[in-house]
Amino acid sequence: DGGITQSPKYLFRKEGQNVTLSCEQNLNHDAMYWYRQDPGQGLRLIYYSQIVNDFQKGDIAEGYSVSREKKESFPLTVTSAQKNPTAFYLCASTASGQETQYFGPGTRLLVL
Amino acid sequence: DQQVKQNSPSLSVQEGRISILNCDYTNSMFDYFLWYKKYPAEGPTFLISISSIKDKNEDGRFTVFLNKSAKHLSLHIVPSQPGDSAVYFCAASGYSSASKIIFGSGTRLSIRP
Repeated sequence: DGGITQSPKYLFRKEGQNVTLSCEQNLNHDAMYWYRQDPGQGLRLIYYSQIVNDFQKGDIAEGYSVSREKKESFPLTVTSAQKNPTAFYLCASTASGQETQYFGPGTRLLVL
Repeated sequence: DQQVKQNSPSLSVQEGRISILNCDYTNSMFDYFLWYKKYPAEGPTFLISISSIKDKNEDGRFTVFLNKSAKHLSLHIVPSQPGDSAVYFCAASGYSSASKIIFGSGTRLSIRP
């Protein structure tokens, strides 16, 4: 089955801790994205990558970091610098030349 | 500055009737528009899209209308069904956006029996 997987479904972060959210796709998509959704708000772009070993900041990149060492994988690290990390995080991907993004099931991050 | 706006946070429609969800945008460089449907605690799923060279696109019960002069698009669902109850996001992208998609804040649609 082709698709996008995100793990874990729920993640708890302690104060001062870095946590990493996983995003894997087997769709052979070139571009991958990370979004954050807060209650009552739309999706806001954190980072995106159009090709392996390259990525760009989105609208709210502060306090986050990413890597794109493999085409299939685009992990997001929420660092201790992110002061309000509680949110629903969504990963998406799209094929080269296409506009439609396909989303994973999301990870809910909570702060202890 | 919200480039994609969904001014109605919620909408309630009777089952079997037409649901109309509205979306306005400000950036005239947008040339591709999408609608996504989202259930709680799940990722959005793509519903329907429209290119700026068209003014209407239909897929089953779903039709998207684009009015470029008014910078407005709408999603029509007819007939509305209970499973349509979800949050609907309007999104837009353009040549200058480097493949980024800008999302609206969403409209929660509730279908009542």
